[in-house]
Amino acid sequence: GEDVEQSLFLSVREGDSSVINCTYTDSSSTYLYWYKQEPGAGLQLLTYIFSNMDMKQDQRLTVLLNKKDKHLSLRIADTQTGDSAIYFCAEITTGGFKTIFGAGTRLFVKA
Amino acid sequence: GAGVSQTPSNKVTEKGKYVELRCDPISGHTALYWYRQSLGQGPEFLIYFQGTGAADDSGLPNDRFFAVRPEGSVSTLKIQRTERGDSAVYLCASSRRESTGELFFGEGSRLTVL
Repeated sequence: GEDVEQSLFLSVREGDSSVINCTYTDSSSTYLYWYKQEPGAGLQLLTYIFSNMDMKQDQRLTVLLNKKDKHLSLRIADTQTGDSAIYFCAEITTGGFKTIFGAGTRLFVKA
Repeated sequence: GAGVSQTPSNKVTEKGKYVELRCDPISGHTALYWYRQSLGQGPEFLIYFQGTGAADDSGLPNDRFFAVRPEGSVSTLKIQRTERGDSAVYLCASSRRESTGELFFGEGSRLTVL
């Protein structure tokens, strides 16, 4: 079935790199996503990667995709206190437009 | 409006009552989604509309839940005979189908069933 799993918590010091990991089950997903949710706010798309890519870089963000292992990661360089939020990994299912989300990783950034 | 608008932002009701939650998507977005987010969880898919029709309602938990989108724009999620377990934040999102599938979320309607 469709499932997205990710670790629940990550704590880093300001200025360090954060790496958030995710595994998914649908090997035919066309896009994989990272969404960010700040307290009291809706989810916002942070970045995405197309399934025929293995890496995407966007300023401080690096997304790595290992299709063989169905593993997706998000690296945030020079993590700031403003990066504290919940990060959701998501995949879009084959043949449709149903996006499945993981439970979210809560990132705590210590000053 | 510029973003997805959901009303009410908060709803407190008693067990057994009927509730309607409204979503106004971004203009021109043909796809509309309802998700439910419980505390500490990720969004759980409920239903997806393409235009006026429900293209996938496999996530609706039971027949107390129903959603409509009669004119292909505004959608209403209807919950009959509410139960305490229905308490959650109900999220609406819209999307342009001919795109990367990016979902634009509203801020959600927090439902509390006493």
